[in-house]
Amino acid sequence: EAGVAQSPRYKIIEKRQSVAFWCNPISGHATLYWYQQILGQGPKLLIQFQNNGVVDDSQLPKDRFSAERLKGVDSTLKIQPAKLEDSAVYLCASSLEGLVSRELFFGEGSRLTVL
Amino acid sequence: LAKTTQPISMDSYEGQEVNITCSHNNIATNDYITWYQQFPSQGPRFIIQGYKTKVTNEVASLFIPADRKSSTLSLPRVSLSDTAVYYCLVGDVVGNFGNEKLTFGTGTRLTIIP
Repeated sequence: EAGVAQSPRYKIIEKRQSVAFWCNPISGHATLYWYQQILGQGPKLLIQFQNNGVVDDSQLPKDRFSAERLKGVDSTLKIQPAKLEDSAVYLCASSLEGLVSRELFFGEGSRLTVL
Repeated sequence: LAKTTQPISMDSYEGQEVNITCSHNNIATNDYITWYQQFPSQGPRFIIQGYKTKVTNEVASLFIPADRKSSTLSLPRVSLSDTAVYYCLVGDVVGNFGNEKLTFGTGTRLTIIP
C-alpha cells in the first residue's frame, strides 16, 4: 500500500516570498491533516479536512497560510508571504473516518527554510 | 483540550525494558490514548492505542489504570533503533463530523545506549 506522498522534500526561500506544498493521502482516506513541526517541538495541527470540507483550522494563520483540498483527495498548503518563523517541517497525514480509526499515517514532510 | 505531560528525555541501555509514563488528568470519557514514534527526518509513526486496562501488539504494550489519568508505554528489550521521540496523545473531539483533534506535546526523547 502506498503511503502519504509529499513534495517538495526541501525548500529554501527568502522572507516575503511564497511557497506551496503538495500532499497526496493514502487512497480511500477521507481525513487529511496538515501539521507544522518546528525544530525541537511536537507537530502542531494547522488544518484538518474531512473529504473536501474543513473540520478545524483554528490554528492556521489565515493572514498568510491557506490550504485547499479540491475533489477531496490531494491537498495544497500555501504560505504567502513567508516569515522567518515559518521555518519548519510541514507534515501531511491522513486517516480513515475519524470514529473508526484513530491512526494517522504521516508523510515524510516538507522542510522549509526561510532566510 | 485534553493535555498530556511526559518526561522530556530518558536514557536506557540496550536489552532493557523501557517504560514511558504520560499524565492526562483531564481525559474525557470518549477519549482514547495513542502513542506515536518519530525518527529524525521522518513523520510520526503509530505505535499503539488503547482505552483502558492493557493493550499489547508486536512492538509495545500500553498500560492504562482504571482512572485513566495516566498511561505507560512499555518497550520490551530495546535496541539502538528504538532511539526516537515518543509522543503520547489523547483524543479530543471537535467539529460536526466527530473527528478527533489529535494534539501532540513535546514528547519524550528516548536514547538507547550501547
